[in-house]
Amino acid sequence: NAGVTQTPKFRVLKTGQSMTLLCAQDMNHEYMYWYRQDPGMGLRLIHYSVGEGTTAKGEVPDGYNVSRLKKQNFLLGLESAAPSQTSVYFCASSYSGPQGTEAFFGQGTRLTVV
Amino acid sequence: DQQVKQNSPSLSVQEGRISILNCDYTNSMFDYFLWYKKYPAEGPTFLISISSIKDKNEDGRFTVFLNKSAKHLSLHIVPSQPGDSAVYFCAASAKSGSEKLVFGKGTKLTVNP
Repeated sequence: NAGVTQTPKFRVLKTGQSMTLLCAQDMNHEYMYWYRQDPGMGLRLIHYSVGEGTTAKGEVPDGYNVSRLKKQNFLLGLESAAPSQTSVYFCASSYSGPQGTEAFFGQGTRLTVV
Repeated sequence: DQQVKQNSPSLSVQEGRISILNCDYTNSMFDYFLWYKKYPAEGPTFLISISSIKDKNEDGRFTVFLNKSAKHLSLHIVPSQPGDSAVYFCAASAKSGSEKLVFGKGTKLTVNP
């Protein structure tokens, strides 16, 4: 059972470079989320999607874009990476919203921007 | 402005004893609360949840208590085991805007053998 898979697991970027993080889920979940985790900050929501073709801003969306062209995939893009985006990124999915069912998380992507 | 607060960054207990992790919230619109557990280099995993219509929910060794008037919830682990050593995140959501789950900063629990 794959669950939620994030690609890549590690990445080092130079300031100004761009990259895309891929999240794939095989549970036919409607909801997908991107969070970032920083030391002493907990998990903060970047963007989320409540279904294929829809996206919405979370708590810290600046500097990121997302797309949900297919139900099973949720992409997080950094157009021009900055050192402040050094973080661990987690993707999650759930069948319905947080009040309905639990969210399943991927293993995380550790991104360093130098 | 933190809406979900876990004021204890760490907690250490002896194996077999009770672990109590606390969480406070400020948003009175929150009506659903969850606890997630996270091991190093892994994603968080769901542990237990509680709706605001209840004041207690139990699942094996894990019990969550909710005190709505105090805007406080706690997670009790009895008995604690070394495998419970992890970071525990409290999270909350509101029916309005329920797509968003707001997390606390986490509490690192260490259970000593």
